[in-house]
Amino acid sequence: QKEVEQDPGPLSVPEGAIVSLNCTYSNSAFQYFMWYRQYSRKGPELLMYTYSSGNKEDGRFTAQVDKSSKYISLFIRDSQPSDSATYLCAMSEVTGTASKLTFGTGTRLQVTL
Amino acid sequence: DTAVSQTPKYLVTQMGNDKSIKCEQNLGHDTMYWYKQDSKKFLKIMFSYNNKELIINETVPNRFSPKSPDKAHLNLHINSLELGDSAVYFCASSQMSNQPQHFGDGTRLSIL
Repeated sequence: QKEVEQDPGPLSVPEGAIVSLNCTYSNSAFQYFMWYRQYSRKGPELLMYTYSSGNKEDGRFTAQVDKSSKYISLFIRDSQPSDSATYLCAMSEVTGTASKLTFGTGTRLQVTL
Repeated sequence: DTAVSQTPKYLVTQMGNDKSIKCEQNLGHDTMYWYKQDSKKFLKIMFSYNNKELIINETVPNRFSPKSPDKAHLNLHINSLELGDSAVYFCASSQMSNQPQHFGDGTRLSIL
């Protein structure tokens, strides 16, 4: 079993839809939770970063963490064609002066006009 | 004003050759990382350096040797390249271990 499980999609939604992306994890040592967006031929771009259970909102994006269920989500409201990308969840455990990110496999999202 | 920059963007070479990839960050971060993204887009950490000191080494073959001349640079040298080394290699940096990592745009390595 992988440490982080993520539905690979692809997920196709019409413009304006609400998108829900999810990851589950098995390692209780994970302390920090991130969502990255990756466009084709680009590096992962940080969208959301949180370390506690609950919700964190930033514009059209809401990150949700439930540590008791080992489950994180990213909600995108009013989705736009420019949101079409691969979304990667990532989690880290801190060991001294570095943190090791463990990524999900990514979900491909396509927002259609 | 690119934050994390990698060179080259593309690298095509023959099996058995030795090659290097360079990474520089202008964010003033103390920690830098190398990740490998395979053909299925799965990202996996390879190395981490903090202020020029190796912190993480994730069972990577010793043909891969990272070098950090200063805390703003982390280069990756690969000896005796193999077909399985074909991938996208990403450099990243973070200010502290509990801060998010920022990635470069990757180096696409293809082995013929």
